[in-house]
Amino acid sequence: AQTVTQSQPEMSVQEAETVTLSCTYDTSESDYYLFWYKQPPSRQMILVIRQEAYKQQNATENRFSVNFQKAAKSFSLKISDSQLGDAAMYFCAYRSETSGSRLTFGEGTQLTVNP
Amino acid sequence: EAGVAQSPRYKIIEKRQSVAFWCNPISGHATLYWYQQILGQGPKLLIQFQNNGVVDDSQLPKDRFSAERLKGVDSTLKIQPAKLEDSAVYLCASSLVYRGLGTDTQYFGPGTRLTVL
Repeated sequence: AQTVTQSQPEMSVQEAETVTLSCTYDTSESDYYLFWYKQPPSRQMILVIRQEAYKQQNATENRFSVNFQKAAKSFSLKISDSQLGDAAMYFCAYRSETSGSRLTFGEGTQLTVNP
Repeated sequence: EAGVAQSPRYKIIEKRQSVAFWCNPISGHATLYWYQQILGQGPKLLIQFQNNGVVDDSQLPKDRFSAERLKGVDSTLKIQPAKLEDSAVYLCASSLVYRGLGTDTQYFGPGTRLTVL
């Protein structure tokens, strides 16, 4: 079974600084997708960024980028120029074609942004 | 475009009572998901519908949980009877297609926070 591990329960960053959230996963699949979701106090999960495993190029969405290391099964999220609105719980998630559309989530990292 | 709607937002019940949650997915989305998120954990899939058929309910406690998706649109998740360990946030999500498109995105609703006393 696939598992997703986020080893940092909490992280903090100063406004305008850069922070990196870690995620590792375990799978025997070769074709899969990785996601970072943001969950603010409103509880609504919001997709931040997505990475296809077959793509070597790291995904980027504005201030958000990933460092995807397929051999190491590592998928970290970098947030540049952190803003107060970035404060939330961040979840790393995995999906493979053999598991249909089911997302397997990590335990989450609570990000605090200090003014 | 309207998002995924869920109701109620909060529910408090006593153990052994029954409860139902409602979800209205984004218009045109064929796939609907129910996730359970226990405090301090990531969401866990309970059941997945493709139109009005179940494609994955392997993690649904079928002795007490049931779900249906009438006419392939709205869905209801029911717990009967509830246990203390059912206290959690229940998230509904929808996506345009089932599989085959890796870029298919799941859109989540605001969730229902259930407290069982």
